[in-house]
Amino acid sequence: SQQGEEDPQALSIQEGENATMNCSYKTSINNLQWYRQNSGRGLVHLILIRSNEREKHSGRLRVTLDTSKKSSSLLITASRAADTASYFCATDPFTYALNFGKGTSLLVTP
Amino acid sequence: EPEVTQTPSHQVTQMGQEVILRCVPISNHLYFYWYRQILGQKVEFLVSFYNNEISEKSEIFDDQFSVERPDGSNFTLKIRSTKLEDSAMYFCASTVYRDRGETQYFGPGTRLLVL
Repeated sequence: SQQGEEDPQALSIQEGENATMNCSYKTSINNLQWYRQNSGRGLVHLILIRSNEREKHSGRLRVTLDTSKKSSSLLITASRAADTASYFCATDPFTYALNFGKGTSLLVTP
Repeated sequence: EPEVTQTPSHQVTQMGQEVILRCVPISNHLYFYWYRQILGQKVEFLVSFYNNEISEKSEIFDDQFSVERPDGSNFTLKIRSTKLEDSAMYFCASTVYRDRGETQYFGPGTRLLVL
């Protein structure tokens, strides 16, 4: 399977703490994207990292990509209750389709 | 900021009925996609569409499904004879181009319930 797979499946932290989610995949990729989904809602694009990039920042988000290990991580710093959502990595394996993982469910408690 | 829109937000239909899900991609985008997410499961690719043709489709996208760009703004997904297992959230997405750095922007989804 070319799908991204996130871990942990669920993560519970307190406001102000950092949240780290990991994604592993199996084949070569064009790029990797992270999305957020609030319960029952649409997918919000967070960040895209190309295969030749190793790290990328956007606000409180930091994404790393290690193509040798076929893995990526998403770090959310200084988390807020509003960050509570499911987070998905989606790999682009040089096709039109994005392959999504099952997601990490993040709960941030006040 | 431009966004992908989808209508309706919710659709309830009887098994065997036809449904059409509508999407308005971002106006300058050229590539369009449909995905679905069965409750509690991961998002799955259905089909991509470019230049009035299907460019790629998954095994899920069988003869019961079709896509169309009937005019310059709408992109539709038709399910001819719905089955119970078609119940899912359907997402439309679009991109400007199809190269290594393109973000796929998703709409808010249509929740389809087949009874």
